[in-house]
Amino acid sequence: GENVEQHPSTLSVQEGDSAVIKCTYSDSASNYFPWYKQELGKRPQLIIDIRSNVGEKKDQRIAVTLNKTAKHFSLHITETQPEDSAVYFCAVSEGAQKLVFGQGTRLTINP
Amino acid sequence: SAVISQKPSRDICQRGTSLTIQCQVDSQVTMMFWYRQQPGQSLTLIATANQGSEATYESGFVIDKFPISRPNLTFSTLTVSNMSPEDSSIYLCSVAPWLSRSYGYTFGSGTRLTVV
Repeated sequence: GENVEQHPSTLSVQEGDSAVIKCTYSDSASNYFPWYKQELGKRPQLIIDIRSNVGEKKDQRIAVTLNKTAKHFSLHITETQPEDSAVYFCAVSEGAQKLVFGQGTRLTINP
Repeated sequence: SAVISQKPSRDICQRGTSLTIQCQVDSQVTMMFWYRQQPGQSLTLIATANQGSEATYESGFVIDKFPISRPNLTFSTLTVSNMSPEDSSIYLCSVAPWLSRSYGYTFGSGTRLTVV
C-alpha cells in the first residue's frame, strides 16, 4: 500500500521567514496531494491541494510543488505569521479513494 | 464542500463498554472514512464505509472491534467495542465528494474518547 513520509517532524522559524515541509510517497498511481493544518483540539483543515497534472499551485502565502517523477511534494509558507503555528499534515490519494497521511510537522513561528 | 455533523464530541467511558459515534453529512457522498488520531500522532485510517456493502478495514483493524454501518449516502456510524484505555483517541469521520472536480475531503469535528 501507499507509504507517505513527511519531514521534518518539527520546524521552528522566525516570524516573516519561510517554512518548507516535504513529503514523499510510494505509489505512482497517486494523483491527489492535499495539505492540512490542524490546530490544537480542532479538526484538520484543508489549506491547499494539488493534482498530478499540475506542478505548482499557489494561494497567497501558501504554495505546493509536486515532482511526480521523484514522487515528492512540498508545502511552502512565505512571510510566516504567528497564526501559522500548528501541525501540518500532507496526504496522498488515488482518485476519490482513501487519504493516506504523513506523520505531521509541528510548525512553530517565533516572534 | 460537504458539512459533517459528528457526535458525540467527547465521552468518557468505562473499559469493557462500547461507544457508537455518528456522522451525518449534508449531501450525498460516495465514500466515508473513519480515522483514529492518537495523542500527538497522525491520522490512521480505520476503514472505508461503503453504502450497501460491508466496510473495508485497514490492516490492524477488525470488524468485531470497530463495527461500521452505512445505511445511506449521508450517514455512518462507527462503534468502538469492548473498550480499553488503549482506545483513548480522537475518532474522525471524513468524506470524499460526489463526482466533483475537486476532491476536497472534509472532516467531522471529531470525537475525543477517554477510556478509564
